Amino acid sequence: DAGITQSPRYKITETGRQVTLMCHQTWSHSYMFWYRQDLGHGLRLIYYSAAADITDKGEVPDGYVVSRSKTENFPLTLESATRSQTSVYFCASNPGGFTGELFFGEGSRLTVL
Amino acid sequence: AQSVTQPDIHITVSEGASLELRCNYSYGATPYLFWYVQSPGQGLQLLLKYFSGDTLVQGIKGFEAEFKRSQSSFNLRKPSVHWSDAAEYFCAVGSWGGYNKLIFGAGTRLAVHP
Repeated sequence: DAGITQSPRYKITETGRQVTLMCHQTWSHSYMFWYRQDLGHGLRLIYYSAAADITDKGEVPDGYVVSRSKTENFPLTLESATRSQTSVYFCASNPGGFTGELFFGEGSRLTVL
Repeated sequence: AQSVTQPDIHITVSEGASLELRCNYSYGATPYLFWYVQSPGQGLQLLLKYFSGDTLVQGIKGFEAEFKRSQSSFNLRKPSVHWSDAAEYFCAVGSWGGYNKLIFGAGTRLAVHP
């Protein structure tokens, strides 16, 4: 049972580069989410998706792009990385019907130099 | 707008001592409330959740939390802390309908002294 996996786990890039963080889940959950975790801020929602081809902005969407062509994948792209996007990024999923519980990946630590 | 406040950034307790982590929320209707735990280098794991009914909820690993509407609080407790409980704890609030989004607090980092 692979669950939800994120790749890469660690990434160092330079300002202005494009970076894509991948998220893949094997449960066929309807809902998927991207959060970023920063000291003092907890987790903040970047984007979420209710189903394939349905996405919407969260609290802090600026500088990020998402897509969801298949239910199981929800990649997050930083089109032109900035230092302020240095963070730990978590992907999560939820089967829908409001169980409330989010199932999290292990996170991707991104450093922008 | 929904929000969650965890007043304590860091807490240190001795092993075997009792623990209470504070959480206050702001939400116009009856909230859904959650506590998650994050071990170092890991994702978040659900400890417990409150939807309705009994205001004292039991979770995994011996944790419990009490919903107090009058105080807008959902504090997490454990009667006797183990060294393995050292982690970061997040309180979160959700709402009816609309994508199951959760709003998280800033977290409380728990250290346990032997």
